Amino acid sequence: GENVEQHPSTLSVQEGDSAVIKCTYSDSASNYFPWYKQELGKRPQLIIDIRSNVGEKKDQRIAVTLNKTAKHFSLHITETQPEDSAVYFCADTNMEYGNKLVFGAGTILRVKS
Amino acid sequence: SAVISQKPSRDICQRGTSLTIQCQVDSQVTMMFWYRQQPGQSLTLIATANQGSEATYESGFVIDKFPISRPNLTFSTLTVSNMSPEDSSIYLCSVSPGTYNYGYTFGSGTRLTVV
Repeated sequence: GENVEQHPSTLSVQEGDSAVIKCTYSDSASNYFPWYKQELGKRPQLIIDIRSNVGEKKDQRIAVTLNKTAKHFSLHITETQPEDSAVYFCADTNMEYGNKLVFGAGTILRVKS
Repeated sequence: SAVISQKPSRDICQRGTSLTIQCQVDSQVTMMFWYRQQPGQSLTLIATANQGSEATYESGFVIDKFPISRPNLTFSTLTVSNMSPEDSSIYLCSVSPGTYNYGYTFGSGTRLTVV
């Protein structure tokens, strides 16, 4: 992808509440959209991803939605827990071409107990 | 997914010197990527490394400063040359298993401090 915008830059929620992070991409050829969680001092870890032929994907408390028309995709975390506190990055790429991931700026999520 | 061993995990280097970072993957992978992550920032791609060809560098990164080797499908190195304090950052390698195989994974990172 060419550019990925991610919002908000920081997000504080109460434990048990939901958190939503949104990304907008510019490259209409993008067809793969992963989300990474990075804890302090650690490597980014893939938590969920979605391909362009799917509108929504869920994995327990985590879900990702994709709106190809609007070029938006979002990460939804329900029933947040303190261990969800981390930096979350969205990214996009086109799997048929260069395959490089382009990352959003990141969202610092703080879950208050 | 592929497992990546990256080393060194951290280093403190004198300005003007060079450091070579290594990434070893436990399986053959088509593409390897080198990223820089400055403190509190996102990941910025430095270059893409394919086996048997020269690396492709992103805007703002040049081969003389960040030479890359990719001698086989499981190994790559990134050298940070003629370092200055502005090169202090975390450097990460990442792999893509293949064009239609998803699940990019990252090495554990190298925390570089230039003094």
